[in-house]
Amino acid sequence: KAGVTQTPRYLIKTRGQQVTLSCSPISGHRSVSWYQQTPGQGLQFLFEYFSETQRNKGNFPGRFSGRQFSNSRSEMNVSTLELGDSALYLCASRTGAGETQYFGPGTRLLVL
Amino acid sequence: SQQGEEDPQALSIQEGENATMNCSYKTSINNLQWYRQNSGRGLVHLILIRSNEREKHSGRLRVTLDTSKKSSSLLITASRAADTASYFCATVDDSWGKLQFGAGTQVVVTP
Repeated sequence: KAGVTQTPRYLIKTRGQQVTLSCSPISGHRSVSWYQQTPGQGLQFLFEYFSETQRNKGNFPGRFSGRQFSNSRSEMNVSTLELGDSALYLCASRTGAGETQYFGPGTRLLVL
Repeated sequence: SQQGEEDPQALSIQEGENATMNCSYKTSINNLQWYRQNSGRGLVHLILIRSNEREKHSGRLRVTLDTSKKSSSLLITASRAADTASYFCATVDDSWGKLQFGAGTQVVVTP
C-alpha cells in the first residue's frame, strides 16, 4: 500500500500571502490529522478530519483551516502568513479511533 | 502544552550498545505511541501500546508502560548507525484524541 503523501514538499512564501497544503491518506484510511513542527514549540496538533467532518481542533488561530474531501484527501490552508508560520507541516492518517497514525514526509514551509 | 516528556534529551552510544529512553506523561491515556524521525523528515511509527498493556516487542524494540507511574520506556537493543534519529513518545487520551508529543530524545549511534 502506498503511504501518506503530501504536496508540495517545499514551499517558500512571503508574509501576508496564503498557502494551501495537500495530503492524500493511505488507501482505506478515513481520518486525516495535521500537525505543525517547529524547533521552538515542537510537534503541535492542528486538526483532525474524519469522513469530511472536523472531529478535533488544536489551539491555533482562525488563519489555519482545513477540509476533507469525499475521497478522504485533505487540504489545509493558512491565510495571511506570518514569519512564525515557518515550519514542517505533517499530515497523518488512520483507519479510525484508537488506531495508529501514519505520517507523511511533510511539507516544509518557509515564510520570508 | 506538551503531555509527554522524554528523558534524556540526547543520547550518544556506540554501535552494538543498547539505548534506553523514557517518557513521562501527566494525564490518563488510551494509548501511547513511539515514533522515530530522521533529520526533519516525516515521523515513522514504531510501536503503539494500549493502556491495558504492560510490554510490547517489535524486532529490536521493547516498550514498557507503567500507568501507575505515568511513564513508558523504549529500549533499542544492539543499536546500529541507522538508528541515529530523534525518538518521540506521543500519548492519546481517548480513542479519538490527538497525539500529544514530547520534545523527543536525540539518539546518535557511532560506528
